Amino acid sequence: AAGVIQSPRHLIKEKRETATLKCYPIPRHDTVYWYQQGPGQDPQFLISFYEKMQSDKGSIPDRFSAQQFSDYHSELNMSSLELGDSALYFCASSLIQREAFFGQGTRLTVV
Amino acid sequence: SQQGEEDPQALSIQEGENATMNCSYKTSINNLQWYRQNSGRGLVHLILIRSNEREKHSGRLRVTLDTSKKSSSLLITASRAADTASYFCATDTINTGGFKTIFGAGTRLFVKA
Repeated sequence: AAGVIQSPRHLIKEKRETATLKCYPIPRHDTVYWYQQGPGQDPQFLISFYEKMQSDKGSIPDRFSAQQFSDYHSELNMSSLELGDSALYFCASSLIQREAFFGQGTRLTVV
Repeated sequence: SQQGEEDPQALSIQEGENATMNCSYKTSINNLQWYRQNSGRGLVHLILIRSNEREKHSGRLRVTLDTSKKSSSLLITASRAADTASYFCATDTINTGGFKTIFGAGTRLFVKA
């Protein structure tokens, strides 16, 4: 069965650079979530989309933005990267208010 | 602060024993979900319980929900070494701003063979 695909799996960027993370949800899922998980931390909700419209925002820095495209894939853009942005970034998709399925995550390292 | 708070933060048991993890939350919810995460990997959905349900079972898992106390528990019976992982509860909320799923701090479970 198709799962949530995230790319890239690993990314190394320097401070002040920009990074773009991509997420391809499970076909026919109408909801996409983005989470950030620091080392030893719980997943922190960043933002969600329902039917390509932003649904809610969590603790997402102003340097970050996200969007969902007509083909339902989503991208998380991070600018002016800081060392503290190093984390695992997870995307999840679901049918609204149903169980979410997570991708394997993108490990971002800022040096 | 996070919507869900879990206890204990860490739990170490012997194989074959039962493991109980608790989750409390602050606001009204639509659903509560439990997830499992192996170190550095994606989260795997275990079970979803709706706000009008009180108990749910799935294999060796038993989840309870007490909306009056704003708490839930996950019981893993007859634990196995392969159950070693972090377990998170997540609450689904809908408000005028939209909907979100918020994760608690997680319980790190270690099952000794």
